[in-house]
Amino acid sequence: DSGVTQTPKHLITATGQRVTLRCSPRSGDLSVYWYQQSLDQGLQFLIQYYNGEERAKGNILERFSAQQFPDLHSELNLSSLELGDSALYFCASSVVTSGGEQFFGPGTRLTVL
Amino acid sequence: DQQVKQNSPSLSVQEGRISILNCDYTNSMFDYFLWYKKYPAEGPTFLISISSIKDKNEDGRFTVFLNKSAKHLSLHIVPSQPGDSAVYFCAASGSSNTGKLIFGQGTTLQVKP
Repeated sequence: DSGVTQTPKHLITATGQRVTLRCSPRSGDLSVYWYQQSLDQGLQFLIQYYNGEERAKGNILERFSAQQFPDLHSELNLSSLELGDSALYFCASSVVTSGGEQFFGPGTRLTVL
Repeated sequence: DQQVKQNSPSLSVQEGRISILNCDYTNSMFDYFLWYKKYPAEGPTFLISISSIKDKNEDGRFTVFLNKSAKHLSLHIVPSQPGDSAVYFCAASGSSNTGKLIFGQGTTLQVKP
């Protein structure tokens, strides 16, 4: 158990819909990261927040957005969903903003039908 | 543009023998490297890391070697155990002042009893 929690574990929805994925980092970790793992793809970095502020952006679609709240939990919002958005979405957290180990949650499996 | 590559999709070794997983990178600005293990339906689990100022880091059965001139790192597992069977990802960071990790595609290790 990494100490990072993600909800829900599974999510099935239809094209065009909007969903919210939630992540609670390990106690004391200020950085939260979101990664996407599609079929046959490695883990792709989406976005990083540090203590409530956006720190880095990867190849995140404009239909996707995220935020980190004062209690340090984070939400990833995916809108106008397409079939290709079906993937595993992982949240990770770390103490530092760079150069340290990241601890991953169990992931949310999103299926878009 | 794949900055981190794991050219072997799979590896099979006998229990008790050494497992060697390889990873190549292209960005000379990377200064921190990590290995993660992933079981199906779970998030990646941090195994071991190495800073670019070192060429070797050891933790129990796991040793990571870094060859900066060749832009190559490897993970050695000795002795291999059936419970080590999983997907192994190498990751790199440091090309920016963020925690963004660039992952390889992963290598599936099977350790046969």
